[in-house]
Amino acid sequence: AQSVSQHNHHVILSEAASLELGCNYSYGGTVNLFWYVQYPGQHLQLLLKYFSGDPLVKGIKGFEAEFIKSKFSFNLRKPSVQWSDTAEYFCAVKGHNDMRFGAGTRLTVKP
Amino acid sequence: GAGVSQSPSNKVTEKGKDVELRCDPISGHTALYWYRQSLGQGLEFLIYFQGNSAPDKSGLPSDRFSAERTGGSVSTLTIQRTQQEDSAVYLCASSFVHGLAGGTNEQFFGPGTRLTVL
Repeated sequence: AQSVSQHNHHVILSEAASLELGCNYSYGGTVNLFWYVQYPGQHLQLLLKYFSGDPLVKGIKGFEAEFIKSKFSFNLRKPSVQWSDTAEYFCAVKGHNDMRFGAGTRLTVKP
Repeated sequence: GAGVSQSPSNKVTEKGKDVELRCDPISGHTALYWYRQSLGQGLEFLIYFQGNSAPDKSGLPSDRFSAERTGGSVSTLTIQRTQQEDSAVYLCASSFVHGLAGGTNEQFFGPGTRLTVL
């Protein structure tokens, strides 16, 4: 069965700092990869996704993620965070069957 | 509707009571998912429905949990004899198609139902 690991539970950054959130998965087959974000008091929403092609994926709000197949990783990055990026971030992997989510990483950006 | 809706938004119940949570997916979406979000536990997959196929119930934590989807649209998650550990936010999501064969597989989430079992 597939599983997803997000190693950072809570990350605290100052504005303009660079961000990288780790995501590793275990699944041997073809996968679709996602990052979802949940802003305080709001629904989960899609940040970006990878299906095939260029392993560097651009998402909304300046986020990007890189799929490294050999490392089973799909880390999320942003070069300069803003206070408004404070949210919880979930990595998700979809294999042949259902979707599996990581435990989430809470990001707090200090103004 | 414009998005996935869930009702009620909040539910407080006493231990031992049964509860029903409702999900209205986006019209035309064939796949529907239920998740549980507990504090510090991330998103836990519960069950999914795809069209008329038998649902995948592999994530249901106990036989007190059940779900059905009537007419390929609205879904109800039922928790019998609720326990305090059932307290969580229950999220529903839908997508246009399930599987890698086609479509974007992007899941659209509802606002969730916050269940508190006293």
